[in-house]
Amino acid sequence: GENVEQHPSTLSVQEGDSAVIKCTYSDSASNYFPWYKQELGKRPQLIIDIRSNVGEKKDQRIAVTLNKTAKHFSLHITETQPEDSAVYFCAASVGNQFYFGTGTSLTVIP
Amino acid sequence: NAGVTQTPKFQVLKTGQSMTLQCAQDMNHEYMSWYRQDPGMGLRLIHYSVGAGITDQGEVPNGYNVSRSTTEDFPLRLLSAAPSQTSVYFCASRPDGSRRGYTFGSGTRLTVV
Repeated sequence: GENVEQHPSTLSVQEGDSAVIKCTYSDSASNYFPWYKQELGKRPQLIIDIRSNVGEKKDQRIAVTLNKTAKHFSLHITETQPEDSAVYFCAASVGNQFYFGTGTSLTVIP
Repeated sequence: NAGVTQTPKFQVLKTGQSMTLQCAQDMNHEYMSWYRQDPGMGLRLIHYSVGAGITDQGEVPNGYNVSRSTTEDFPLRLLSAAPSQTSVYFCASRPDGSRRGYTFGSGTRLTVV
């Protein structure tokens, strides 16, 4: 099956700085890559996604890039704010299944 | 539109007891899944369903059963609870098609003593 690796496991940034979270996947058939944000005690919520025929997608302060050749994709958050503090999960979809990374705990220091 | 509804929110079981975690969605989604979330291990797939009457195993199916008699409901049964099943359980649903994201329920925090 698919194997998704996510780095780093923890990340601290100063408010206003950028944060980057990276994921790699193993199955070249994976064709959809969503990112989820999970605040403490809450459910994961989809924040952005990218399909395999697209290289980059932006939504205000967040962006995702995909390199199919290298089998990696990244989440970029610019101008970070304290409310961005959460755990972020990447995922890769192949066939009927989603495979999740192990999560990155992001702390934005005011 | 309530989305994905899970009950109960919290549960404590004794080893060997059985119980059912309930999950219902009102979005007419074909795909439904159960995940467990443990510290440092992300979300691991237990069982999933691609439509009423169709279920399949995920990464960690042992000790759990599911059924999908309707599009709306996808209950997860713990047959004989063990301390290793202490976890947070999330039900999720999505429309059919491989390139659509999941909507998650609010989770059930289960402790087995």
